[in-house]
Amino acid sequence: GENVEQHPSTLSVQEGDSAVIKCTYSDSASNYFPWYKQELGKRPQLIIDIRSNVGEKKDQRIAVTLNKTAKHFSLHITETQPEDSAVYFCAASKGNAGGTSYGKLTFGQGTILTVHP
Amino acid sequence: NAGVTQTPKFQVLKTGQSMTLQCAQDMNHNSMYWYRQDPGMGLRLIYYSASEGTTDKGEVPNGYNVSRLNKREFSLRLESAAPSQTSVYFCASSRDRDLDSPLHFGNGTRLTVT
Repeated sequence: GENVEQHPSTLSVQEGDSAVIKCTYSDSASNYFPWYKQELGKRPQLIIDIRSNVGEKKDQRIAVTLNKTAKHFSLHITETQPEDSAVYFCAASKGNAGGTSYGKLTFGQGTILTVHP
Repeated sequence: NAGVTQTPKFQVLKTGQSMTLQCAQDMNHNSMYWYRQDPGMGLRLIYYSASEGTTDKGEVPNGYNVSRLNKREFSLRLESAAPSQTSVYFCASSRDRDLDSPLHFGNGTRLTVT
């Protein structure tokens, strides 16, 4: 099955700096790569996603890049703010390949991001 | 519009006891999922239901059963709880398995098995 590795496990930055979290996946059939943010004691919430036919996607201060050849994708957060502090998860799925589901996700282990004021 | 609602929020069980975690969504979504979250391991899929009347195993189904009661409700049952099932359980739903449809998670159930 799919295996998703996420690095680093913890990341500490100063407010205003950029943060980058990287994930690699093993199954070349995976075609959907979402990122979730989870605040302490809360549910995961989707912040951005990318499909395999796109190399980069941006939404204000966050962006995701995908390298299908190398099977890795990254989350970039610019101008970090204290409210960005949370656990971030990457995930991968095969989408609707073979009748499966976009929601059938394999998650990375998570990155604890701390933004210091 | 409550989204995805899970009950209970907290539960403590003794080894060998059984219980059912309830999940309901009011977004008319077709697909529903149960994930468990353990420290340092991200979320792992237990079971999912792509549509009413169907259920399939995920990555870690052993020790669990599910029922898709109707389009709104998807329950997770632990027949004989074990300490290894201590975890936070999240139910989620998505509109359709074939379309651009992100997961919506419930608030989670924190289960402790002693």
